[in-house]
Amino acid sequence: QVQLQESGPGLVKPSQTLSLTCTVSGGSISSGGYYWSWIRQHPGKGLEWIGYIYYSGSTYYNPSLKSRVTISVDTSKNQFSLKLSSVTAADTAVYYCARALVTADEWFDYWGQGTLVTVSS
Amino acid sequence: QTVVTQEPSLTVSPGGTVTLTCASSTGAVTSGYYPNWFQQKPGQAPRALIYSTSNKHSWTPARFSGSLLGGKAALTLSGVQPEDEAEYYCLLYYGGAQLVFGGGTKLTVL
Repeated sequence: QVQLQESGPGLVKPSQTLSLTCTVSGGSISSGGYYWSWIRQHPGKGLEWIGYIYYSGSTYYNPSLKSRVTISVDTSKNQFSLKLSSVTAADTAVYYCARALVTADEWFDYWGQGTLVTVSS
Repeated sequence: QTVVTQEPSLTVSPGGTVTLTCASSTGAVTSGYYPNWFQQKPGQAPRALIYSTSNKHSWTPARFSGSLLGGKAALTLSGVQPEDEAEYYCLLYYGGAQLVFGGGTKLTVL
């Protein structure tokens, strides 16, 4: 069974870059067939799709975040990563990584447990 | 900006039936939006329930079903259990790699 685990700093200063990594176990990112995704949830609020990446490196981002987001993949480590630049308090959220089928009909069947990132000085 | 709208809250009695809906600001929701539904309990990550309108994951209880209803995507819970109390989110795919979650429905079992 696939498992995903987020890791990274829980506290980031305003204007800095938020960096998170998702480690995948129980399956290989490079085997293809899936998009590897980031989703966030502001405290007490709903879910927001950030973007996703294919093992080849093709990326797709939420237009509202596109100018600040970079998602990358390291198939040798079976990991993918999120970088969000110029953060503000509005970026404080629980960040989840998740998997989705490339057929576009089955989204986010497996999720990480989530990691809270607080933006504060 | 595309908005996906769900009922903010619903209440159902144990053993009852309830339908949650998911509407798109762009018009009628069709199967081409591949509606997906997720359940989230406090302090937990979301859990996938339904994909592509009406397909269940292997772990989805039989009492959950998905459909299209009156131009919206719908999630119906039949024979509601106390453990079904949770937040439910729909997700629509707009093509061009655009995904939008609904605002969520808080389901209370009372």
